[in-house]
Amino acid sequence: GAGVSQSPSNKVTEKGKDVELRCDPISGHTALYWYRQSLGQGLEFLIYFQGNSAPDKSGLPSDRFSAERTGGSVSTLTIQRTQQEDSAVYLCASSARRDRNQPQHFGDGTRLSIL
Amino acid sequence: QKEVEQNSGPLSVPEGAIASLNCTYSDRGSQSFFWYRQYSGKSPELIMFIYSNGDKEDGRFTAQLNKASQYVSLLIRDSQPSDSATYLCAVKGMDSSYKLIFGSGTRLLVRP
Repeated sequence: GAGVSQSPSNKVTEKGKDVELRCDPISGHTALYWYRQSLGQGLEFLIYFQGNSAPDKSGLPSDRFSAERTGGSVSTLTIQRTQQEDSAVYLCASSARRDRNQPQHFGDGTRLSIL
Repeated sequence: QKEVEQNSGPLSVPEGAIASLNCTYSDRGSQSFFWYRQYSGKSPELIMFIYSNGDKEDGRFTAQLNKASQYVSLLIRDSQPSDSATYLCAVKGMDSSYKLIFGSGTRLLVRP
């Protein structure tokens, strides 16, 4: 079956522009996560969605970052007024909620470069 | 102190040897532990997960968990050059957010 799908795979933009990153989770997965990975680093949690519950936004680094999930499926991560330090790979993951120990499955990520 | 700690490596082993990757975590209430493999430029791929103390084996991979020592490890038997990658340890706590806390990864190099 289809895995987690992210688009675009690469995004190059100028400092100060807004960007939107998209994630389409595995069908039937109710939990969706966004992470950020800077070069040579581990993954940094950004935000978590579970069904219709309020999202856990505790990892968002600043108010320039926001995310939404429409209809409990597709999610978009928006970064406003991008800065060079926003350059990273943005990874989306999803998991089934039936068991809280369900592992997360990752998409291929969006490589974001801010010039 | 980082929540999840891994030696960055690189850990270099000859082909056919056992590679031992280690991870320690600070939250004593952590419940679930995951190992991901990440090839350069690719996304993390789940290798194994473990919830209970002891060993869990899957093919050439064995995960070992010791909650009292707050230590989890991954053993790779008969290492192959294709195993060369960064291995990420991830821990899930008792809180309700379900988020994973990742270590920064250990780079493994298997020499032919």
